[in-house]
Amino acid sequence: NAGVTQTPKFQVLKTGQSMTLQCAQDMNHEYMSWYRQDPGMGLRLIHYSVGAGITDQGEVPNGYNVSRSTTEDFPLRLLSAAPSQTSVYFCASSYSAGIPRGEQYFGPGTRLTVT
Amino acid sequence: QQPVQSPQAVILREGEDAVINCSSSKALYSVHWYRQKHGEAPVFLMILLKGGEQKGHDKISASFNEKKQQSSLYLTASQLSYSGTYFCGTAPNRDDKIIFGKGTRLHILP
Repeated sequence: NAGVTQTPKFQVLKTGQSMTLQCAQDMNHEYMSWYRQDPGMGLRLIHYSVGAGITDQGEVPNGYNVSRSTTEDFPLRLLSAAPSQTSVYFCASSYSAGIPRGEQYFGPGTRLTVT
Repeated sequence: QQPVQSPQAVILREGEDAVINCSSSKALYSVHWYRQKHGEAPVFLMILLKGGEQKGHDKISASFNEKKQQSSLYLTASQLSYSGTYFCGTAPNRDDKIIFGKGTRLHILP
């Protein structure tokens, strides 16, 4: 049981490049989410999904796209990278039946630098 | 919409108690507490639902005052392992997304 996995761990992009951050979980969790963490800003929600085929925007969705074609995978796409997107990105999942959102399990994070 | 946490940072000596507060301008359905150690991912501590319940495990407990839209996290007889950043997340409704505060940095000295 690997939990929540994220790839890559580190990434450097040039302004204007696009890329996809991968997130996968093997716990059959319905709820998945993406956060970015910047110094002094806490964890800010980018996008989230309550199940396959369903996604919604969080607090800071601009510049990012998501899709949820399977229960296991929830990739985050940066369309045209900007220096303001330099951050640490965390993916999380939880079993949303019962107590809403429940305990969220976080992946190890991806540290992204945009030059 | 982002909950406000206080204090922003606190330094304690091992064995002392700490209280971290989380307040919201909106009515809350649930409050979620996480701890993050430096360079690691956040780890779940506990969830509180509206109704004013109090929860705890080991020497960490929390309360939720629905009327005041506030929650407090209590760390009793703090240990070195309690060092880290504590985040509260809140949701105004059962099916709503969770929004986290900016965090409270806790440093425990030996």
